[in-house]
Amino acid sequence: EAQVTQNPRYLITVTGKKLTVTCSQNMNHEYMSWYRQDPGLGLRQIYYSMNVEVTDKGDVPEGYKVSRKEKRNFPLILESPSPNQTSLYFCASTPSVTSLGTDTQYFGPGTRLTVL
Amino acid sequence: LAKTTQPISMDSYEGQEVNITCSHNNIATNDYITWYQQFPSQGPRFIIQGYKTKVTNEVASLFIPADRKSSTLSLPRVSLSDTAVYYCLYNQGGKLIFGQGTELSVKP
Repeated sequence: EAQVTQNPRYLITVTGKKLTVTCSQNMNHEYMSWYRQDPGLGLRQIYYSMNVEVTDKGDVPEGYKVSRKEKRNFPLILESPSPNQTSLYFCASTPSVTSLGTDTQYFGPGTRLTVL
Repeated sequence: LAKTTQPISMDSYEGQEVNITCSHNNIATNDYITWYQQFPSQGPRFIIQGYKTKVTNEVASLFIPADRKSSTLSLPRVSLSDTAVYYCLYNQGGKLIFGQGTELSVKP
């Protein structure tokens, strides 16, 4: 089954404790992206990657890191989480950057992160 | 960084045409305008994208005037299942800049 998986689905942590949210897709997609969603602010892109070893900042990259060592995986790293990073996070993929204009992205189920 | 601006919410009735307008005064030459739909507890899904003039697909139409400072998403004959949040966004070659979204409520 074609899918994007994220782990964990729920996480409660404390300020400053490094964490990683994993994202994996099994569709051989080149383009992957991370988003956060907050009430009243809507959806915002954090980082995106157009292919292996190619990552770029999205709209709100501060406080986050990513890596793309393999095509299928695109982990999101919070080196020192803070309460303002409490949010719902989505990972997504699509065949290529060109397909952003024609097809929907495949989204993961979301990770609800709470930073105390 | 300039973002798109759209109404926070809209109400409609089944069978009506709904038009949601988005303002993007600072759109750059290479930016495309894209619209997404999102249902609660789900990731958003692509509706339509355009650069200028009119684009139509099986779901919606998108109107972008010559100055490209705004765009209008048109949903023909909405149904209850069209109740969702609709996002207008810039596509800057892979970097996506979302607006706050318009919460559309379709009533019977």
